[in-house]
Amino acid sequence: GAVVSQHPSWVICKSGTSVKIECRSLDFQATTMFWYRQFPKQSLMLMATSNEGSKATYEQGVEKDKFLINHASLTLSTLTVTSAHPEDSSFYICSASRQGVGYTFGSGTRLTVV
Amino acid sequence: TQLLEQSPQFLSIQEGENLTVYCNSSSVFSSLQWYRQEPGEGPVLLVTVVTGGEVKKLKRLTFQFGDARKDSSLHITAAQPGDTGLYLCAGASGGTSYGKLTFGQGTILTVHP
Repeated sequence: GAVVSQHPSWVICKSGTSVKIECRSLDFQATTMFWYRQFPKQSLMLMATSNEGSKATYEQGVEKDKFLINHASLTLSTLTVTSAHPEDSSFYICSASRQGVGYTFGSGTRLTVV
Repeated sequence: TQLLEQSPQFLSIQEGENLTVYCNSSSVFSSLQWYRQEPGEGPVLLVTVVTGGEVKKLKRLTFQFGDARKDSSLHITAAQPGDTGLYLCAGASGGTSYGKLTFGQGTILTVHP
């Protein structure tokens, strides 16, 4: 079946630094990749949608200068949290989709900003 | 903006009991997915329903898609502690099955031995 690899699975960083999270579709070329944020015991909140080679579309209220998304190829998308602060601490999940494959989610990244 | 109302938000039951989780919307979805998620992991797809009125069974889990493709339900028979987790419904829109997903609020299920 379709597999999406998300790395790292957890990261701790100092306030003010930037953190990059990678999302790779291992055995299929994704038409679209999605980035979500999830707070404890809550549902997934869509942050942005990205298609290969074009700018990401951000959901209302999501700061695009803070959460930089790069979708350089059909198998790789990255989310960079810039100048991270403790309030950015959260669980970030990516998903890749393609017609005929559906949606496949990564295993998530636990970000802790200290 | 499309919304999916999922209920109940919390469910705490004893092993062997049955339960139903509902997802309702005023919008039509091209498909609807149900996921189960464990703490610290990504959601895992349980089923995708596409056709209005469709019923799918996965062992003790039964999924229904409403005739108008606006609502869905998940029924678990004889729940077991291993069923504990966060259950999420999500609808695909835009006339495709690979566009943006709208998620329900989630149902935290706890099954006590």
